[in-house]
Amino acid sequence: DVKVTQSSRYLVKRTGEKVFLECVQDMDHENMFWYRQDPGLGLRLIYFSYDVKMKEKGDIPEGYSVSREKKERFSLILESASTNQTSMYLCASRSGTGGGYTFGSGTRLTVV
Amino acid sequence: GNSVTQMEGPVTLSEEAFLTINCTYTATGYPSLFWYVQYPGEGLQLLLKATKADDKGSNKGFEATYRKETTSFHLEKGSVQVSDSAVYFCALEGNTGRRALTFGSGTRLQVQP
Repeated sequence: DVKVTQSSRYLVKRTGEKVFLECVQDMDHENMFWYRQDPGLGLRLIYFSYDVKMKEKGDIPEGYSVSREKKERFSLILESASTNQTSMYLCASRSGTGGGYTFGSGTRLTVV
Repeated sequence: GNSVTQMEGPVTLSEEAFLTINCTYTATGYPSLFWYVQYPGEGLQLLLKATKADDKGSNKGFEATYRKETTSFHLEKGSVQVSDSAVYFCALEGNTGRRALTFGSGTRLQVQP
């Protein structure tokens, strides 16, 4: 069964910490995405990547960066966590030739 | 840019009632349209999709028709069950420029026995 795996289901971090959210897919997909999900706002695109070492800003990139050193792994980095980054973070991947998106189960991050 | 507007929830229905969740969109070109579902405690799953005007997507008794003239993709089901209780997201992917999903705000459906 194909999978997108997010390393942590729940995470609690302190304000000002540097936070890494990891996402790994086993489908050899070129495209990977990071979204955050907030009640009443749906899912908003933070960053995405069309291939290794490529990255593009989404709609809300401020306060975040990403790393894609290997095809299967796409990391979201909160340089200095703030309480307004408390949210559910969802990773997704898809083939570069089209087809469906596969989502991970999400990481619920709380910044205190 | 692209955007999706869907009706606010929560929507509360009795079992076997008829369901409609409205979704309208703004996009350039000819986007593909999707409905995703998120059951409690689970990840996002594709429910159905349509890739061109007048296409009807269907799955698990749910249907939605791509209406370009009204820029809509309303989700319907003739008889809901308690197991349909979930959050439903309408989304689009444009066919020009950025290839990524743009989501609506989500509609929570609660079905009571």
